[in-house]
Amino acid sequence: KAGVTQTPRYLIKTRGQQVTLSCSPISGHRSVSWYQQTPGQGLQFLFEYFSETQRNKGNFPGRFSGRQFSNSRSEMNVSTLELGDSALYLCASSLANRPTMDYEQYFGPGTRLTVT
Amino acid sequence: GESVGLHLPTLSVQEGDNSIINCAYSNSASDYFIWYKQESGKGPQFIIDIRSNMDKRQGQRVTVLLNKTVKHLSLQIAATQPGDSAVYFCAENIGPGGSYIPTFGRGTSLIVHP
Repeated sequence: KAGVTQTPRYLIKTRGQQVTLSCSPISGHRSVSWYQQTPGQGLQFLFEYFSETQRNKGNFPGRFSGRQFSNSRSEMNVSTLELGDSALYLCASSLANRPTMDYEQYFGPGTRLTVT
Repeated sequence: GESVGLHLPTLSVQEGDNSIINCAYSNSASDYFIWYKQESGKGPQFIIDIRSNMDKRQGQRVTVLLNKTVKHLSLQIAATQPGDSAVYFCAENIGPGGSYIPTFGRGTSLIVHP
């Protein structure tokens, strides 16, 4: 069974630009969550989609948005990039909208975004 | 591999020893907690969870203890192996009504010496 895949793996953008990251969940998984990981702030929850609906959202500005398609693939978009948006962006998928021992959450390898 | 944090607390143990990793959480209303493991260059991996109505849960070689009085969570790894070397995070769920909105600890780096 293929794992969670994220594309691209590495990306360099300039301040003010926008970026779209893609996540393909494990087949059959309907929940997709996005996280930002930085050395300064650690791991932070961005948002979670389940069956094309945003169910939960973390404390990030409106420049961060996402969507989920009918095949459960998800994209996240960051507009008007700032230097502080440089981070590893992780996507995770699960059968349920809340990870548990019975419905584990599986993370992808992440997309490393560098904003210059 | 990817760096997950600067100046993380580090726990060094010998192979075969038991390891205890601690985490203080912030919200007394948090109802659910998860421990994750992150190896260098990889995404986090779900290890074990515990609900707030429990004080202990055991998995394969791992045990999570929850002390709600002092808002403290610990992960015990029995017979630690070199493959256990990684950064370990705790997460608390601050989402209401069954939703999942996690807040993560900064992590502890576990180094297992053969």
